[in-house]
Amino acid sequence: QKEVEQNSGPLSVPEGAIASLNCTYSDRGSQSFFWYRQYSGKSPELIMSIYSNGDKEDGRFTAQLNKASQYVSLLIRDSQPSDSATYLCAVDLSGYSTLTFGKGTMLLVSP
Amino acid sequence: GAVVSQHPSWVICKSGTSVKIECRSLDFQATTMFWYRQFPKQSLMLMATSNEGSKATYEQGVEKDKFLINHASLTLSTLTVTSAHPEDSSFYICSALYLRGNNEQFFGPGTRLTVL
Repeated sequence: QKEVEQNSGPLSVPEGAIASLNCTYSDRGSQSFFWYRQYSGKSPELIMSIYSNGDKEDGRFTAQLNKASQYVSLLIRDSQPSDSATYLCAVDLSGYSTLTFGKGTMLLVSP
Repeated sequence: GAVVSQHPSWVICKSGTSVKIECRSLDFQATTMFWYRQFPKQSLMLMATSNEGSKATYEQGVEKDKFLINHASLTLSTLTVTSAHPEDSSFYICSALYLRGNNEQFFGPGTRLTVL
């Protein structure tokens, strides 16, 4: 069964620290990977997409992809209390733009 | 860009009634939209893929006669929950595929359905 796995957390970090969120996926042939942020009671909002091995940076966010290890991560630098949310890893396992979501990691940033 | 709206944002209905939820892409055309359901403290579960001008593709275990999907235009998809029951109470979220970008999905704000 094709799966996307994330630690449920919560991951607690102090304000200003780096938060590291991890995700593994089961299908070695997957090509498209996404990170979404979801605040409680709200819908997901796209943070980043990544398609090639290596790092991709956007502001305080860096996505890292290692297809050989079937591993994708999200680093949040200078974490802020407003970053406290559930972070969802999503993978296009099918190749047809349908996404399989992990269960999400709850991040708590304390002031 | 890439804004998706949903209406209504919340609805309360009696058991046995039908509820229609609209999903619109406001600033782009979306040939493909997706419908998800999310129960409390769980992740998103894809219900169906909606393609403009053709029948929706339902995920395994989703009753197509209960969850009717219509994607009649490039900016509008609707989900109708027919003969709703309390177990259908959930957070229903649509997304639209933004082809000009990197095939990213942008989500609407969601519709919270409560069936009494």
